[in-house]
Amino acid sequence: AQTVTQSQPEMSVQEAETVTLSCTYDTSESDYYLFWYKQPPSRQMILVIRQEAYKQQNATENRFSVNFQKAAKSFSLKISDSQLGDAAMYFCAYRSRMAGSYQLTFGKGTKLSVIP
Amino acid sequence: DSGVTQTPKHLITATGQRVTLRCSPRSGDLSVYWYQQSLDQGLQFLIQYYNGEERAKGNILERFSAQQFPDLHSELNLSSLELGDSALYFCASSVGPQNTEAFFGQGTRLTVV
Repeated sequence: AQTVTQSQPEMSVQEAETVTLSCTYDTSESDYYLFWYKQPPSRQMILVIRQEAYKQQNATENRFSVNFQKAAKSFSLKISDSQLGDAAMYFCAYRSRMAGSYQLTFGKGTKLSVIP
Repeated sequence: DSGVTQTPKHLITATGQRVTLRCSPRSGDLSVYWYQQSLDQGLQFLIQYYNGEERAKGNILERFSAQQFPDLHSELNLSSLELGDSALYFCASSVGPQNTEAFFGQGTRLTVV
């Protein structure tokens, strides 16, 4: 079974600065997807960014980018120019490409605080 | 707004009772997933349906059951409730089981007293 580990329960960042959230995962599969989801106080789970394991290029979405290291099974999220609205819980998630295994496996989350 | 609707938003009930949580997926989405978010277990996958049929089962207790109806809405039934069942229950939907983007509802906060 796959596992996802987020070793930083809490992080903080100054507004306009850059912060990196860590995620490692364990799998025996070679093809899969990785995600970062944001959960603000409203509880809504919002997809931030997605990475396909067969793509070597790191995914980028505006101020959000990832550092995907497949051999190390590491998938960190970098938030640039942090804004107050970025304050939330961030969850790293894994999804298999095997038929019948399309559910998400989540890490425990990292609570990000943004300091004005 | 993700387009996934969950009702009710909050539910308070007593131990031993039974409740039903409802989920309406986004228009056009055939696949529905249920997740449980609790403080000790984190976010856990419970069960997935695709076009009315069960596709995958996760850490779902025998006291819990779900179904997806012909109009594609889904219900999660929780019975013989225990204090430990208090959690946030999310529904997510996607076009098909293989689609990578799942859209989440706002969840139902269940409190068992």
